Amino acid sequence: SAVISQKPSRDICQRGTSLTIQCQVDSQVTMMFWYRQQPGQSLTLIATANQGSEATYESGFVIDKFPISRPNLTFSTLTVSNMSPEDSSIYLCSVERDSGANVLTFGAGSRLTVL
Amino acid sequence: GDSVTQMEGPVTLSEEAFLTINCTYTATGYPSLFWYVQYPGEGLQLLLKATKADDKGSNKGFEATYRKETTSFHLEKGSVQVSDSAVYFCALAGGTSYGKLTFGQGTILTVHP
Repeated sequence: SAVISQKPSRDICQRGTSLTIQCQVDSQVTMMFWYRQQPGQSLTLIATANQGSEATYESGFVIDKFPISRPNLTFSTLTVSNMSPEDSSIYLCSVERDSGANVLTFGAGSRLTVL
Repeated sequence: GDSVTQMEGPVTLSEEAFLTINCTYTATGYPSLFWYVQYPGEGLQLLLKATKADDKGSNKGFEATYRKETTSFHLEKGSVQVSDSAVYFCALAGGTSYGKLTFGQGTILTVHP
């Protein structure tokens, strides 16, 4: 299965700043997925990142707040913009492990704390 | 919309005890069902899955059976070990989704020697 590296693994950020999370996969994948896990909550899909086109966002998430880049088939970034304490979460990158099987492999996550 | 409900935790057991973590779901159509596990400091890993009614997923001594009549996918293990201490997530993938999993809130399991 794919190996996913995310960085930073954790960070403490000031209100109003932006932070970019990087996700590197060790093999080429068509789609990459960004999830958020708020404290004490389950995981929620933010968006799907496609190489060569704009990301597709889920209801409640917008590009201005969570811009995503996907420059090639092994890399993606998620930026959390103009952060507030409500953005304190774990952000996870994932890819589909077996094509068409809906089985996802996840990175270890990036834990952001916004003060 | 789709939803997954897991039994609330945390769950604390002694080694070799029997484990059940309940999971029920609401979905249209015929979803695939999953259990993911997150060990401390690691990413989520697929533990087992089932793609149709009456399928039984199994891995590492864990089992779960897809029960369409009760819309359930309860996780069981006959004898837990300290190394099973982790957070367990039940999830579903709807028939028309791609990469979009709906997760339960997670259940923290702690196993004591």
